Amino acid sequence: AQSVTQPDIHITVSEGASLELRCNYSYGATPYLFWYVQSPGQGLQLLLKYFSGDTLVQGIKGFEAEFKRSQSSFNLRKPSVHWSDAAEYFCAVGPTGGGNKLTFGTGTQLKVEL
Amino acid sequence: EAGVAQSPRYKIIEKRQSVAFWCNPISGHATLYWYQQILGQGPKLLIQFQNNGVVDDSQLPKDRFSAERLKGVDSTLKIQPAKLEDSAVYLCASSPGGAAYNEQFFGPGTRLTVL
Repeated sequence: AQSVTQPDIHITVSEGASLELRCNYSYGATPYLFWYVQSPGQGLQLLLKYFSGDTLVQGIKGFEAEFKRSQSSFNLRKPSVHWSDAAEYFCAVGPTGGGNKLTFGTGTQLKVEL
Repeated sequence: EAGVAQSPRYKIIEKRQSVAFWCNPISGHATLYWYQQILGQGPKLLIQFQNNGVVDDSQLPKDRFSAERLKGVDSTLKIQPAKLEDSAVYLCASSPGGAAYNEQFFGPGTRLTVL
């Protein structure tokens, strides 16, 4: 069965600092991978996704993620964090065999210090 | 373009009571999803509809949860009777189709508290 691990429950960074959120997956083949962001009181918004091809994926709001097959990882990065990036971030994996049922990780809560 | 609408936004009930949530997906989206998000966890898919047919309800506790999508548009999710462990945010999402490349768009959710 597919699964997703986000090792960091909480992360605090200073505004302007770089950010990396970790995501590891377990899947029998190369999965489809996603990062979502959830602001308080709002639904999830898709930041970026990886299906195939270039392993460095660009998303919205200046985020990027890199797929590393050897490490079963799909870490999310941003070179300079803004206070408005404070939110909860979820990594998710989807099946490549058909359908779009997503399995989510437990999330990483990001706090940004001014 | 209007997003996914959900109501109510908050609901507090006593255990053993019943409750219903409503979802209006983005116009034209054929696929609709209900997720349960317990505090400290990621969303878990409860049920997926393609038009008005069920595609996946393998994680829906069918002894107490039910869902329908009449006419392939709006959907309701019902819990009867509610248990303490049903306290969670219930998210509705929709997508143009059920293929992997179809992005899921999420509503704001309904926060349920069972006392």
